[in-house]
Amino acid sequence: DIQMTQSPSSLAASVGDRVTITCRASQDISRYLNWYQQKPGKAPELLIYDTSNLQTGVPSRFSGAGSGTDFTLAISSLQPEDFATYHCQQSHTLYSFGQGTKLEIK
Amino acid sequence: EVQLVESGGGLVKPGESLRLSCTASGLSLMSASMSWVRQAPGEGLEWLGRIASRNNGGATEYAASVKGRFIISRDDSTDVLYLRINNLKIEDTAVYFCTTRQWRPTGRFEPWGQGSLVVVSS
Repeated sequence: DIQMTQSPSSLAASVGDRVTITCRASQDISRYLNWYQQKPGKAPELLIYDTSNLQTGVPSRFSGAGSGTDFTLAISSLQPEDFATYHCQQSHTLYSFGQGTKLEIK
Repeated sequence: EVQLVESGGGLVKPGESLRLSCTASGLSLMSASMSWVRQAPGEGLEWLGRIASRNNGGATEYAASVKGRFIISRDDSTDVLYLRINNLKIEDTAVYFCTTRQWRPTGRFEPWGQGSLVVVSS
C-alpha cells in the first residue's frame, strides 16, 4: 500500500497570507495526486486533480505542484472561505489519503 | 448533474452487520467505478474499497485494513451501490461516504455523497 503523509497537520494563518501544504508519498506516484477541501460537517470537494489541474470553479489562488513523491498545495492569498481541512489522495495504485491538514484562522 | 445519496447508517452493536446504500442519480453505476470512503470522528479520510465499472470487469478491491469484513456490491438495475460491513467493531464508528471517479482516466473522486453516520456501541 502507498502511504501518504501530509504536513503540517494543522496550520494557523491570517486572511491574505500565502500558505503551502505538503504531501509526501511512500513511493513514486508520478503525478497521480489529487487535493480535496472539506468543511465541517460536509463531504470533501475536489480542488485539484493530477497534481496541478484546478477543478472547474476553483479560484486561481489555489495551485498545485510536484511529481514523484513530493507535492504541494499553495493558496496565494487566503480568503475567509478557505479555512477548512485539506486532504491529498493518490490514485497511482488504488487509492489512499493523507491524514489531512486543518487550516485555521490565526 | 450526478448526485449520490447514502442511507442505512445508525447505531449498531459490536459484532453485528450493517448494509449501507448509495443511490445514484444522473449516473449509470454499471459504467462507473465507485468507491467507499470513511472518516472516523476527528480523523482523516480512509479509502475502503471500490467496484470497477462493468466495462472493466466489475471487480472489487479493498484496503488491507478492511479486507474480509467489508463487501461492496451494486445493483445495476436500480443504480444502488452497497457496502456491507460484517462483525462491526467500535473502531468502525465513522461517517461513510460513497464517491466515484466516473469514467475519468485518472482516479479523482467527484462528486461525493453527503455521508452516512455509523456508530458502533454496546
